[in-house]
Amino acid sequence: GENVEQHPSTLSVQEGDSAVIKCTYSDSASNYFPWYKQELGKRPQLIIDIRSNVGEKKDQRIAVTLNKTAKHFSLHITETQPEDSAVYFCAALSRDAGNMLTFGGGTRLMVKP
Amino acid sequence: ETGVTQSPTHLIKTRGQQVTLRCSSQSGHNTVSWYQQALGQGPQFIFQYYREEENGRGNFPPRFSGLQFPNYSSELNVNALELDDSALYLCASSPGGRSPQETQYFGPGTRLLVL
Repeated sequence: GENVEQHPSTLSVQEGDSAVIKCTYSDSASNYFPWYKQELGKRPQLIIDIRSNVGEKKDQRIAVTLNKTAKHFSLHITETQPEDSAVYFCAALSRDAGNMLTFGGGTRLMVKP
Repeated sequence: ETGVTQSPTHLIKTRGQQVTLRCSSQSGHNTVSWYQQALGQGPQFIFQYYREEENGRGNFPPRFSGLQFPNYSSELNVNALELDDSALYLCASSPGGRSPQETQYFGPGTRLLVL
């Protein structure tokens, strides 16, 4: 089945700096890659997603890149703000895996003012 | 916030008991997926329901079962609770059905503690 690895597990940046979180996946049949932000005690919230027919997608300060050949995708947050502090999860969905999202282990991002 | 709701918000059970968790999907969504999130980990897929039928299942034993109703709300039932079942249980709804590419929107979760 699908396996998603996420790095780093924790990331501390200064306000205004950029943050990059990287994920790799194992199943070449995976074709949908969402990113979720989860604040303490709250639900995961979708922040951006990308499908396998696209290499890059951007939404204001957030961008995601996908390299299908290398089977990795990354989240980029520019001009970080303290409210960006949360746990971020990447996920992959494979056509061959019964519609299930497989999540990475999460990255705790801390933005210091 | 999404339109996905879950009940109850918190629950305490003892080992061996049974539990039922409920989820109402967002308006217009006919697919519900259930996930288990242990503390400090990413969510793990339990199963998905589309139009009242199971549409995919993760690596969970048969004592985890579910239902979807005609209004697309859903239940997760867990029998013979074990201590390791303590977790946040999340449901997510999506607008499509058998297509695997539909975005999933999460509810607030039910936190289950098994003593």
